[in-house]
Amino acid sequence: DVKVTQSSRYLVKRTGEKVFLECVQDMDHENMFWYRQDPGLGLRLIYFSYDVKMKEKGDIPEGYSVSREKKERFSLILESASTNQTSMYLCASSLGLAGSREQFFGPGTRLTVL
Amino acid sequence: AQSVTQLGSHVSVSEGALVLLRCNYSSSVPPYLFWYVQYPNQGLQLLLKYTTGATLVKGINGFEAEFKKSETSFHLTKPSAHMSDAAEYFCAVSDLVGYSTLTFGKGTMLLVSP
Repeated sequence: DVKVTQSSRYLVKRTGEKVFLECVQDMDHENMFWYRQDPGLGLRLIYFSYDVKMKEKGDIPEGYSVSREKKERFSLILESASTNQTSMYLCASSLGLAGSREQFFGPGTRLTVL
Repeated sequence: AQSVTQLGSHVSVSEGALVLLRCNYSSSVPPYLFWYVQYPNQGLQLLLKYTTGATLVKGINGFEAEFKKSETSFHLTKPSAHMSDAAEYFCAVSDLVGYSTLTFGKGTMLLVSP
């Protein structure tokens, strides 16, 4: 089974801190994704990566950056956390274009910024 | 840009009743279609998917969905609801061109009463 793990289930940070959220997948998937989930808004794509060192902006990239130095790891960075970034963050991975596009999700990180 | 509409942010049923969760999408070509389920404080889990072939798709936990191209719909059904079905359900669509991103609906919370 595909396994996607996220470094923390719950995280509390202070305004202005730099925050790193880590995601690791163990199935050699080409694509990796970061979403944030807020009540009533569903899942919104922040960034995705289709290869090592490659990244593309999603629908809401402002205030975030990403890093993919190794195929299995995709990091989301909040350079200076703000209270409006309090949310559930979900990481996902999928095969490349030859696949069915099914995404496999991690358990999520609930981030609170005080 | 694609869009996915899930009718009803909350749906309430009694245990044993039919479950019907509606999903309509906008796409210029027949896409890949997915239903995911999310239990509290967990990531998303794939229920079922339509890629090609038979338009009636069966998934896990007794759920099924039918792809209707003429109606641009992919409604999720289950003949008899169980208390354990209470969760949030997301419909998603993927284009067959470009990157393997998914566009998600805003979700429908299914409430099951005894």
